[in-house]
Amino acid sequence: EAGVAQSPRYKIIEKRQSVAFWCNPISGHATLYWYQQILGQGPKLLIQFQNNGVVDDSQLPKDRFSAERLKGVDSTLKIQPAKLEDSAVYLCASSLSGQNSPLHFGNGTRLTVT
Amino acid sequence: AQSVTQPDIHITVSEGASLELRCNYSYGATPYLFWYVQSPGQGLQLLLKYFSGDTLVQGIKGFEAEFKRSQSSFNLRKPSVHWSDAAEYFCAVKETSNDMRFGAGTRLTVKP
Repeated sequence: EAGVAQSPRYKIIEKRQSVAFWCNPISGHATLYWYQQILGQGPKLLIQFQNNGVVDDSQLPKDRFSAERLKGVDSTLKIQPAKLEDSAVYLCASSLSGQNSPLHFGNGTRLTVT
Repeated sequence: AQSVTQPDIHITVSEGASLELRCNYSYGATPYLFWYVQSPGQGLQLLLKYFSGDTLVQGIKGFEAEFKRSQSSFNLRKPSVHWSDAAEYFCAVKETSNDMRFGAGTRLTVKP
């Protein structure tokens, strides 16, 4: 099966600029996640979708981050305006529904904010 | 508070030696437990998972992990490490259908 696709792989922007990341999950996976992984740390959940509805966005900085999953398939994550501390790898993952379903990760987008 | 702890930030082992990476969790009930591996520039790959039953689970690439309820631990082991095992290893916990939480990771270096 095709894996989770993310683009772009790398992005360099200046602070206060905006940026968007795209994710295409594994076909049939109802649950989609966006994680932020800062260098030297484990991934931190930003937002979780079940189909096209938000399940958990408690750790999403909503003043600057937004995400959508129109039609319950692809998803985009946007940052506007970016800050230096947003420099990280943004990982998208998908899974089947259910507590025992493991997450399948994409290769991530490495964002550098200068 | 719910947490996942990986006490070792960095471990170095010689090729062919055995490996054990530690993971402790703090949750109210028995959660679902996972180990992932991340190579540089890559996403996370699932090594193994524990839901219930036999407390010793086998995974890919020769890895295994043992769930010990009394110690709230889920340590990852491999009897003989290969140079290609050098990577970052993450323990993860899922208590409900939401929110898989990850430890900070353990970086493994393999000496020739």
